[in-house]
Amino acid sequence: DAKTTQPPSMDCAEGRAANLPCNHSTISGNEYVYWYRQIHSQGPQYIIHGLKNNETNEMASLIITEDRKSSTLILPHATLRDTAVYYCIVRLYSGGYQKVTFGIGTKLQVIP
Amino acid sequence: DVKVTQSSRYLVKRTGEKVFLECVQDMDHENMFWYRQDPGLGLRLIYFSYDVKMKEKGDIPEGYSVSREKKERFSLILESASTNQTSMYLCASSVTRSNQPQHFGDGTRLSIL
Repeated sequence: DAKTTQPPSMDCAEGRAANLPCNHSTISGNEYVYWYRQIHSQGPQYIIHGLKNNETNEMASLIITEDRKSSTLILPHATLRDTAVYYCIVRLYSGGYQKVTFGIGTKLQVIP
Repeated sequence: DVKVTQSSRYLVKRTGEKVFLECVQDMDHENMFWYRQDPGLGLRLIYFSYDVKMKEKGDIPEGYSVSREKKERFSLILESASTNQTSMYLCASSVTRSNQPQHFGDGTRLSIL
């Protein structure tokens, strides 16, 4: 799996958009980008994933650059409940064995 | 929505006890996983299962066993609990289709005294 790099921490004002970047310059052509988050003392929550097109769901948007070397997770209107550690991972399907490995992630603090 | 339910959020046991952690998913997923999460060590895979009665060792299986008698249920067993097994235990499930994500439960914070 390709290595990812994320800033260790970010702040965002409540109600504003939170833009969380992720670099994955060694991504290969068939690897997907996934985003999870983990609120303190809870299990990781899947947010969104994509291959090369931008994706949007009820939680967030994922913008992947044309060269696929980086991506941005956008929470359009951050709330205090979005305070969490956000993990960007890049994975290649490897049959039934799909171990997930998180890096350090970005600790997002939403400020009132 | 996918629901992965772990039987306990918090559990306290004593050294040497046999401990059972239960996980149930409601989405008919083929694959189920047990991880532990420790500060500074990230997620580590203990065991996984890709079908009923099938199991495969992950990266740190020592001291653990698993059971999958029904598709929706995956149990983690600590044969003789030790203090170094104090951790957050996370269950996850997924389908086998190539790009679909794993979905996690809320975790069991296990303390071994």
